[in-house]
Amino acid sequence: DTEVTQTPKHLVMGMTNKKSLKCEQHMGHRAMYWYKQKAKKPPELMFVYSYEKLSINESVPSRFSPECPNSSLLNLHLHALQPEDSALYLCASSQGPGNTEAFFGQGTRLTVV
Amino acid sequence: LAKTTQPISMDSYEGQEVNITCSHNNIATNDYITWYQQFPSQGPRFIIQGYKTKVTNEVASLFIPADRKSSTLSLPRVSLSDTAVYYCLVGDNNYGQNFVFGPGTRLSVLP
Repeated sequence: DTEVTQTPKHLVMGMTNKKSLKCEQHMGHRAMYWYKQKAKKPPELMFVYSYEKLSINESVPSRFSPECPNSSLLNLHLHALQPEDSALYLCASSQGPGNTEAFFGQGTRLTVV
Repeated sequence: LAKTTQPISMDSYEGQEVNITCSHNNIATNDYITWYQQFPSQGPRFIIQGYKTKVTNEVASLFIPADRKSSTLSLPRVSLSDTAVYYCLVGDNNYGQNFVFGPGTRLSVLP
């Protein structure tokens, strides 16, 4: 199984809502990542988890809150988002922080209204 | 992190070989060069990685000159399904540094 599964595929939320994005992998990977991608732009790295510990936070606003409950799961909790946060949110994993090949999920298309 | 520069877009025809060059003038000694492919509304997909000289797999070849200040992704005999954005990444594999994406090259393969 070389898949990274993200749910939901699409999400529409209001600016006062709280929602969560989920990411799951069963490849035994110990590094997991969240990216944000706007249309026609490259993915922007948001967070890196290494062995279930947050190792990189790329100055992401606190309205985005990551969580890694175990080595297979990665969540991104969303609260009080703005319309400009609408984007494709991608999750990825790799064997470890020193590994070179990352596997990406299909992403969650988020629309904030 | 080493900054990368790629052409914004390229056009090619089916059956041709396509070469996409990435410049990374301030590449560090420990940095590797990695290429990803992305189709619309999908996550990027790993293509190939190298450190120096030439690397080849079933999908592509990667050419890296001795000074390592640039690299060239070579796609043999492209088809319409190779239309995508191709990203060059440079980093030292530690703690996600290898996964900071540059601007990418939008390749259009024409019939």
